[in-house]
Amino acid sequence: GENVEQHPSTLSVQEGDSAVIKCTYSDSASNYFPWYKQELGKGPQLIIDIRSNVGEKKDQRIAVTLNKTAKHFSLHITETQPEDSAVYFCAASMGGNNRLAFGKGNQVVVIP
Amino acid sequence: NAGVTQTPKFQVLKTGQSMTLQCAQDMNHNSMYWYRQDPGMGLRLIYYSASEGTTDKGEVPNGYNVSRLNKREFSLRLESAAPSQTSVYFCASVTGNSYEQYFGPGTRLTVT
Repeated sequence: GENVEQHPSTLSVQEGDSAVIKCTYSDSASNYFPWYKQELGKGPQLIIDIRSNVGEKKDQRIAVTLNKTAKHFSLHITETQPEDSAVYFCAASMGGNNRLAFGKGNQVVVIP
Repeated sequence: NAGVTQTPKFQVLKTGQSMTLQCAQDMNHNSMYWYRQDPGMGLRLIYYSASEGTTDKGEVPNGYNVSRLNKREFSLRLESAAPSQTSVYFCASVTGNSYEQYFGPGTRLTVT
């Protein structure tokens, strides 16, 4: 089955700097790669996603890039703000039935 | 439109007790999922239901049963709770032609 790994596990950045989180996946058949943000005490919420026929997607301060050859995709957050502090999960589509395989999560801390 | 709701929010059980976690969605989604989230382990799929009347095992199904009561509701039952089932449980749903999963707020379960 699909195996998704995230690095680093914890990331601290100064407010205003950029943050980058990288994920690798194992199944070359995966074609959908979302990123979820989880705030303390809440459920994960989708913030951006990318399909395998696209190399990059941007939405305001966040972007996702995909390298299918290397089987990795990254989340980029620019001009970080304190409200960006959260746990971020990457995922990859896995087989049928709309299933996703999730990474273990990254704790991002934005230091004011 | 409440999205995905889960009850209860918190629960403490003694080893051997049983309970049912409830999940409901009002988005007319076909597929529903139960995950557990443990520190450092990310989100692991317990069971899922691709459509009303069908259920399938995920990555960690042992010790759990599920029921897809109707299109809206998907319940998770612990017949004889064990301390290893102490976790935060999330329900999610997705429409038939998408991978975008919508998560509920979670149930924090402690088994003593």
